[in-house]
Amino acid sequence: QKEVEQDPGPLSVPEGAIVSLNCTYSNSAFQYFMWYRQYSRKGPELLMYTYSSGNKEDGRFTAQVDKSSKYISLFIRDSQPSDSATYLCAMSSGTYKYIFGTGTRLKVLA
Amino acid sequence: NAGVTQTPKFRILKIGQSMTLQCTQDMNHNYMYWYRQDPGMGLKLIYYSVGAGITDKGEVPNGYNVSRSTTEDFPLRLELAAPSQTSVYFCASSPETGSSGYTFGSGTRLTVV
Repeated sequence: QKEVEQDPGPLSVPEGAIVSLNCTYSNSAFQYFMWYRQYSRKGPELLMYTYSSGNKEDGRFTAQVDKSSKYISLFIRDSQPSDSATYLCAMSSGTYKYIFGTGTRLKVLA
Repeated sequence: NAGVTQTPKFRILKIGQSMTLQCTQDMNHNYMYWYRQDPGMGLKLIYYSVGAGITDKGEVPNGYNVSRSTTEDFPLRLELAAPSQTSVYFCASSPETGSSGYTFGSGTRLTVV
C-alpha cells in the first residue's frame, strides 16, 4: 500500500462547479498537510497548508483534514478555467521530508 | 526575489553522456531537494541536503550525485545518462521546520536518447 494515495483523474467539471479533490494516507504520524497546484510545464506552487485536523479557508479554496479517517480534501468553489491544473497533496510528520501524492488532473470547462 | 532558479530548462543527452543540472535559491533556506517527476508517478525524491556540506540519499538516488558547497547552490550530476533518466527534474528548498512547505523551481526537462 502506498503511503499517500490520490486519484489521478482527469476530473472534468463545468465552470462554476464545486470541485472536491482527495487524498488518503496510511501514516498516522503525518501532521502537516499541504496542497500544491501545478500548471502544465511549471513547478508545483504551494496552495494551502493545514496543521493537524480541521478546516482552513482561503478565498475559493477550503482544505479539510480528517485524521481519524486519514483523509484530506481540497474544495474549490466557483471553479474557473484558470483552475485547470494538476493538484498534488503532500504531507509530513513534522520533519522537512514531505510525501507527495501522484496528483489529480483537473479540467474546468468554460 | 527570484526564489529557486533551475538551469537549463531543456536538455537532450545521448546515452552515456554526463551533465549537471544547476539549482540556486536566494531565500537562505538550509534545506534543499531534488525530485524527478514521471507521468502518473508523482514526485520521487532523489537527494536532499540539510545544509552546506551535508547531503543524503532519497528514494531514487542511483545514477545521480549531488554536492552542497554553499547554502545557495545544490547541483545534481548525472554521470552516465540512461534512457530511464528521461524525466522532469525539480529542485526545491524549504526552511527547517515542516510547516512552510517547499518552494519549487520551474524544472528541467531532460531527454536521454
